[in-house]
Amino acid sequence: NAGVTQTPKFQVLKTGQSMTLQCAQDMNHEYMSWYRQDPGMGLRLIHYSVGAGITDQGEVPNGYNVSRSTTEDFPLRLLSAAPSQTSVYFCASRKGETQYFGPGTRLLVL
Amino acid sequence: DAKTTQPTSMDCAEGRAANLPCNHSTISGNEYVYWYRQIHSQGPQYIIHGLKNNETNEMASLIITEDRKSSTLILPHATLRDTAVYYCIVSLYRGSQGNLIFGKGTKLSVKP
Repeated sequence: NAGVTQTPKFQVLKTGQSMTLQCAQDMNHEYMSWYRQDPGMGLRLIHYSVGAGITDQGEVPNGYNVSRSTTEDFPLRLLSAAPSQTSVYFCASRKGETQYFGPGTRLLVL
Repeated sequence: DAKTTQPTSMDCAEGRAANLPCNHSTISGNEYVYWYRQIHSQGPQYIIHGLKNNETNEMASLIITEDRKSSTLILPHATLRDTAVYYCIVSLYRGSQGNLIFGKGTKLSVKP
């Protein structure tokens, strides 16, 4: 199993641009989530999904959209990037009590 | 979810046991204690979790006090690769759809 994969690893955007961060898992997990981590801080939940077709907001959802059309994929869309969205983004999936995190996407918004 | 309090940083000598404390005085009866760690900007890694009994796996041991207001994560023989930020998290079993609330954690430095 590849586990949780994220692309791209790095991205630089200009303010106002849009983009999609990709997340995929091959473990057939129903639950998936997106977190962001700012320097020196813990992770904060953006959006999560308990299964295909079902999504919900986390702690910091503003400026982000998600959809879950398949069990495997959970993309995160930035509609109009802002410098405040400069962060490292982690995707995770869960089985039972264990969450499995991807390697992260580093995003810089200029 | 209950909040946790952890020391900002700790040092440990290589080969010695690392004991990482966590206070969770407002934990409720159905909340679990989870430990994750994050090695230098990688994604967090699950270590162990427990409800009220002590737990042990291949990575670590978790000691939870009888009143459940605090716990200690024990890495029995720390190596340099255990240098990481360790997060103690209290969460309902599958509560809030299994969301984890991360604090700032404890930065553990294992020194040769």
